[in-house]
Amino acid sequence: GQQVMQIPQYQHVQEGEDFTTYCNSSTTLSNIQWYKQRPGGHPVFLIQLVKSGEVKKQKRLTFQFGEAKKNSSLHITATQTTDVGTYFCAGSTGNQFYFGTGTSLTVIP
Amino acid sequence: GAGVSQSPSNKVTEKGKDVELRCDPISGHTALYWYRQRLGQGLEFLIYFQGNSAPDKSGLPSDRFSAERTGESVSTLTIQRTQQEDSAVYLCASSVRVKQFFGPGTRLTVL
Repeated sequence: GQQVMQIPQYQHVQEGEDFTTYCNSSTTLSNIQWYKQRPGGHPVFLIQLVKSGEVKKQKRLTFQFGEAKKNSSLHITATQTTDVGTYFCAGSTGNQFYFGTGTSLTVIP
Repeated sequence: GAGVSQSPSNKVTEKGKDVELRCDPISGHTALYWYRQRLGQGLEFLIYFQGNSAPDKSGLPSDRFSAERTGESVSTLTIQRTQQEDSAVYLCASSVRVKQFFGPGTRLTVL
């Protein structure tokens, strides 16, 4: 069945260091979304990527969708303590969204 | 309201009892999703409603789980004969296009 794998599961970085999380799907996706979940909170939508090879930026965050539309990445430049949380990718092939297992980011001041 | 609301926020029940969880989506959002999130894990899709179409129930883990939605309004997720492995946060999300707006979740603890 459809699977979306996400790595790493945990990442600890010093404040100011960069951070990347990777998402891989077993099948081609129609689109991919990224969500952030703060500790104790609920997932909040960050962005959606639709086109093959698409790259989108939101301030220090850069999102990429692979050429084959089977993988995606989220890169944060110069992390800040406010970036703490779990980042989930969610791939869609139709109605359903298959969430990755998430990457929990800890930023050490 | 401005966002998706869920009730109760916390539910503690005894093994074998039935529970009903409620989701109030954002007004006008035609799509509604239910997810389960176990501690420290990702989101597990349970069920999807889109307007008046037949729901996609492919994620429901067993026949103890059921959900209803009347039109484009409130949805209820019912778990019958709860088991300890049902303990999790149950999240509801609504959307009008693709972006999902999540509610705060219901934390279910089965003793």
